[in-house]
This record gives sequence, C-alpha cells and structure tokens, in this order.
Amino acid sequence: QQQVKQSPQSLIVQKGGISIINCAYENTAFDYFPWYQQFPGKGPALLIAIRPDVSEKKEGRFTISFNKSAKQFSLHIMDSQPGDSATYFCAASRDYGGATNKLIFGTGTLLAVQP
Amino acid sequence: NAGVTQTPKFQVLKTGQSMTLQCAQDMNHNSMYWYRQDPGMGLRLIYYSASEGTTDKGEVPNGYNVSRLNKREFSLRLESAAPSQTSVYFCASSERHYTEAFFGQGTRLTVV
Repeated sequence: QQQVKQSPQSLIVQKGGISIINCAYENTAFDYFPWYQQFPGKGPALLIAIRPDVSEKKEGRFTISFNKSAKQFSLHIMDSQPGDSATYFCAASRDYGGATNKLIFGTGTLLAVQP
Repeated sequence: NAGVTQTPKFQVLKTGQSMTLQCAQDMNHNSMYWYRQDPGMGLRLIYYSASEGTTDKGEVPNGYNVSRLNKREFSLRLESAAPSQTSVYFCASSERHYTEAFFGQGTRLTVV
C-alpha cells in the first residue's frame, strides 16, 4: 500500500512561475516530513523538511505548507528556474525511539522548468 | 569528506548470479539504509540498520540479505538475481530521527 501519495507525476512550469507538488499520508504517527531533490545520475538530497508543530516553513524560494487535519503537505517553488528541473520526492517518517530515520517516500514528481 | 560511497556504480548480472553491493559512510552515522528506485514507484526501503549489529526488513526485503559489517559499512547481497531486481539501488545513512538522510550516488543494476 502506498503510505505517501504524491501528485502530479510530472509538471512543466515556465521560468518565473510557481511549481506546486502535493503529498498526502495516512499514518497519523508520522511526525517528520522532508522533501528531497534528485538530479539525473545522482542520489536524492534533502531540500527542506517540516515537523507537524508548524503549518509552514520557508527556505529561500522553497516553502512547505502542512495541513495536519487533512494529512497533506505540499512543496511550493517560487520564481522557478531551469536549474530547479529535477525529480522531487516527498517523504515521511515516525519516531522509532530516536535511533533511526526510516523514510517512506512518495512516487516522485519530475519537474521541468522551461526557459 | 566523501559522505556515502557505493560500489560498484554499474553492474550487469545474469539471472541466478549472486553479487554484493557495498556501501560505506564516513559521517559516523548510527543508521544506514538500502533503497531501490524504480520508475513510477519512488524509493522503496529494502533493509535498514538502526545501529551497528542490528538489521531489519523494510518494505521490499524479499530476495535480499544485508550485513552491517561495522558502523561504517552496510552491504546488500542478492543471492540469486532475478530480472525483477533490475533497478537503481541507493544506500543512505542518518544520525537519528528528524535528521537528514545522506544518499550515495547509486548502483544501476541490470539482471538479464
């Protein structure tokens, strides 16, 4: 079963536009929600992360919006640039006693920003 | 600082052959993970190790075994490779919950 559902599968945005990727989860025990960015031929790298005690977190052009009651969270990329073209994964994890960060990933969104 | 290093980067196996994917991290992290990435499926956890000496199954463990050799190294073994194991494999490590997981560059495995 897909514990973290991500949409859309692919996204085309014009340079300067806003990219929005959405994720939904089922397990209310999840308490850590990161977004990872992956370029072709590379491993995923952490972009930004949020915990459920806040509804929004912003880092530069990247913002996570979190809706605990709806069990949804989203990534907004403002002023999208061609260099943002990559695959984006949302993820979630729960506390297993502090020792590990076992991430459950969404299926990914391929973002293409056109010049 | 190398981070997470995986070997090999590419491998082609025949059905039924065995092989071991190697992973080492130099960040003194407690936890290590093996994921596989397939188109449209995202990254799925195969096995993980919360600390040296412990290993646990993830979402898709069938057909795989792992060894946490020491705190630095975590290997993934395919005993009898099948075409369904054609994938890109990523090793990752992290310090604890709520912290960043660092990924290696991946191993592209093809089973023919």
